[in-house]
Amino acid sequence: QKEVEQDPGPLSVPEGAIVSLNCTYSNSAFQYFMWYRQYSRKGPELLMYTYSSGNKEDGRFTAQVDKSSKYISLFIRDSQPSDSATYLCAMSARGFKTIFGAGTRLFVKA
Amino acid sequence: EPEVTQTPSHQVTQMGQEVILRCVPISNHLYFYWYRQILGQKVEFLVSFYNNEISEKSEIFDDQFSVERPDGSNFTLKIRSTKLEDSAMYFCASSTSRDGSNTEAFFGQGTRLTVV
Repeated sequence: QKEVEQDPGPLSVPEGAIVSLNCTYSNSAFQYFMWYRQYSRKGPELLMYTYSSGNKEDGRFTAQVDKSSKYISLFIRDSQPSDSATYLCAMSARGFKTIFGAGTRLFVKA
Repeated sequence: EPEVTQTPSHQVTQMGQEVILRCVPISNHLYFYWYRQILGQKVEFLVSFYNNEISEKSEIFDDQFSVERPDGSNFTLKIRSTKLEDSAMYFCASSTSRDGSNTEAFFGQGTRLTVV
């Protein structure tokens, strides 16, 4: 079983839709959960990070962590064409290296 | 806004040659990282660096790789004898995390290394 599983997509949605992106993981030691956005041939850009379980909201973005299910989500409300990118989940724990998911490609159609 | 800068943006080298990838982390950051991303694959951790020494490295980071902070601003990744499979995008990142958890790592734009 891979440490972090993420559906690579692509996911195509119309402008204004709510987008749900998800990752599952196997290592219960993970405590820090991050979402990065990566445009083509660019470096990952940190969007959200969460410590342990719970929700975190920042503008149109909401990150959720359910440690009991080993499942994390990123929701994007009122999606825009400029949100079209690859979204990477990442997670780590104290003393552990950060593990990235494979990334989900998102296309938001105008 | 402060950012991590990497040079060069693209490097082409012949197999067996040494390359040095350069990074200038954000000035008040304490932890530095190198990652690589082979085209179409996931971002992979290579090494983390704190207090002038390697704090963690992955199985990818073998004896061909080394890192150095030669002065107060630069952070370099050296590949001693490049192989075709070293062709990838190499990202430098830095963070302030005191516990080294890399929670808020900021990435540079990457150096695309092509080994021919």
